[in-house]
Amino acid sequence: DQQVKQNSPSLSVQEGRISILNCDYTNSMFDYFLWYKKYPAEGPTFLISISSIKDKNEDGRFTVFLNKSAKHLSLHIVPSQPGDSAVYFCAALGPSGGSYIPTFGRGTSLIVHP
Amino acid sequence: DTGVSQDPRHKITKRGQNVTFRCDPISEHNRLYWYRQTLGQGPEFLTYFQNEAQLEKSRLLSDRFSAERPKGSFSTLEIQRTEQGDSAMYLCASSLSSNEKLFFGSGTQLSVL
Repeated sequence: DQQVKQNSPSLSVQEGRISILNCDYTNSMFDYFLWYKKYPAEGPTFLISISSIKDKNEDGRFTVFLNKSAKHLSLHIVPSQPGDSAVYFCAALGPSGGSYIPTFGRGTSLIVHP
Repeated sequence: DTGVSQDPRHKITKRGQNVTFRCDPISEHNRLYWYRQTLGQGPEFLTYFQNEAQLEKSRLLSDRFSAERPKGSFSTLEIQRTEQGDSAMYLCASSLSSNEKLFFGSGTQLSVL
């Protein structure tokens, strides 16, 4: 039973265009969401986060949008660059028996073509 | 470098052998997590520590797996009698508190032959 779903395993985008990565969750107790970027043979690195009290958070080229009623969040990268090519993981946290343990989606592999 | 460090980066072992991995978290972080990742999957939670106390273990963590965090600093993850299905990247992460972002190490890639 996947509580965090990334339904697109891969995404291909032209350099300079917008990349939109999507994430859906099922647990309404989740109240903090994070995006991580992962290169091969390395650990995930934190990219951007959003609390459930907000619907948008922006950091440079990266913006995360949260739609709580739809239990959906998305990561926008504008403009996309070849160096953005990586696997992107969505993660969610919320009180679960008193613990906050991040639950990750399966990831979306982004390829940005020059 | 004050990030999370993991050792070794790679481990190749024969089925049935025991292996141990080490993780050194960011020094002021109270929480330490172990995750496992296989190809095409996201990181799957194994266990976590609040200081030296192991507070939760996933059902993925069979009795062949044991983790420790003596003195609330570094942690070790031991797998006894390894099986081919244990082949994965084992990721360690740490965080300052319960609802803070996790900082990951580079992982230990385990291959069981």
